[in-house]
Amino acid sequence: ETGVTQSPTHLIKTRGQQVTLRCSSQSGHNTVSWYQQALGQGPQFIFQYYREEENGRGNFPPRFSGLQFPNYSSELNVNALELDDSALYLCASSHGTGLRDTQYFGPGTRLTVL
Amino acid sequence: DQQVKQNSPSLSVQEGRISILNCDYTNSMFDYFLWYKKYPAEGPTFLISISSIKDKNEDGRFTVFLNKSAKHLSLHIVPSQPGDSAVYFCAASAQKGAQKLVFGQGTRLTINP
Repeated sequence: ETGVTQSPTHLIKTRGQQVTLRCSSQSGHNTVSWYQQALGQGPQFIFQYYREEENGRGNFPPRFSGLQFPNYSSELNVNALELDDSALYLCASSHGTGLRDTQYFGPGTRLTVL
Repeated sequence: DQQVKQNSPSLSVQEGRISILNCDYTNSMFDYFLWYKKYPAEGPTFLISISSIKDKNEDGRFTVFLNKSAKHLSLHIVPSQPGDSAVYFCAASAQKGAQKLVFGQGTRLTINP
């Protein structure tokens, strides 16, 4: 069984640019959640996708957007990058959206905005 | 507004002894709690969870205790092993919340030989 994978591993962008991060969910999982982890902090929920539809969103501005594809892989897009967007971006997949559906995390993408 | 807090940034424990990691929360709507472990360059790994209808859940060397009246949970690791050295995050979720996990800041646990 393949785990959650994310690409790229690292990324450097400049302020104002746009970025796309990718996530492949674990086999059999139909739900993907994205989190932002700033240095020294715990992960913060950005949004969740269930069967290609957004299923909940955290306190992030609209320039953070996402997609989920028919194979349940997902993208996170961030427009008009700001310095504070520098963080580790984590993707997690699960069998469903229930409380007891364990979220399995990928290794993350480290984004640096200069 | 930090709804889930881990007030100890780090903890050092002797191998073989008990490690106790603590977590406090403020939102009374939370009804499911989890602990994740994170090694460097890896994503968080699920460790153990507990529902609000229970006060204790055990899985091998790991036990999670929940005190709802105090809005406090703790993770006990007995006996501690060098491989347990990692950052531990507690997280909470509410039934109405689209499986949104709210994480604490993490506690770095170091197990000394």
